[in-house]
Amino acid sequence: DAGVIQSPRHEVTEMGQEVTLRCKPISGHNSLFWYRQTMMRGLELLIYFNNNVPIDDSGMPEDRFSAKMPNASFSTLKIQPSEPRDSAVYFCASSLVGGQSPLHFGNGTRLTVT
Amino acid sequence: GENVEQHPSTLSVQEGDSAVIKCTYSDSASNYFPWYKQELGKRPQLIIDIRSNVGEKKDQRIAVTLNKTAKHFSLHITETQPEDSAVYFCAALPKLSFGAGTTVTVRA
Repeated sequence: DAGVIQSPRHEVTEMGQEVTLRCKPISGHNSLFWYRQTMMRGLELLIYFNNNVPIDDSGMPEDRFSAKMPNASFSTLKIQPSEPRDSAVYFCASSLVGGQSPLHFGNGTRLTVT
Repeated sequence: GENVEQHPSTLSVQEGDSAVIKCTYSDSASNYFPWYKQELGKRPQLIIDIRSNVGEKKDQRIAVTLNKTAKHFSLHITETQPEDSAVYFCAALPKLSFGAGTTVTVRA
């Protein structure tokens, strides 16, 4: 079991640029989650998918953020245009059954927007 | 998370002593309560969890208790060791919200 795989591990970009974060969930897991972690706000749920369908995106901060899950083994989180306040660690997590089983986190992507 | 409150925010204990972290939740539908440990620069990892049909669960030096009536649950770490130093998060599912975290420091 390779666990949840995220890429890139680190991303440094200038404000205004588009950023795409990628996630491969654990095979067989039906739910996928995107979280953002900052010192000020802790772990915030941005969006989660069940069987590739977005269930709750109320945590997505603005229209600049979008997430997709085209198939069971891949998801992206896109920020366009990026701003310095988007700097954070973004975690992807997956679980067998969303809300009823443990979340397995990826190693995260540390995003810095200058 | 907006419906999960966690206390204290920081906790310093002497090695060998116990540490207790408490979380309260507001959603009566919550039925699964995991605890995660996050070491500096690493991902959160599940250390123990409890479901609503159980009042207590123990795994070696770690235990979790649940009081559904009062809507709170607690993490207990006994015989603390330096490697227990980390940030601990509680969560109440199915809302998938996390507490703000508790930074635990174990003094040698």
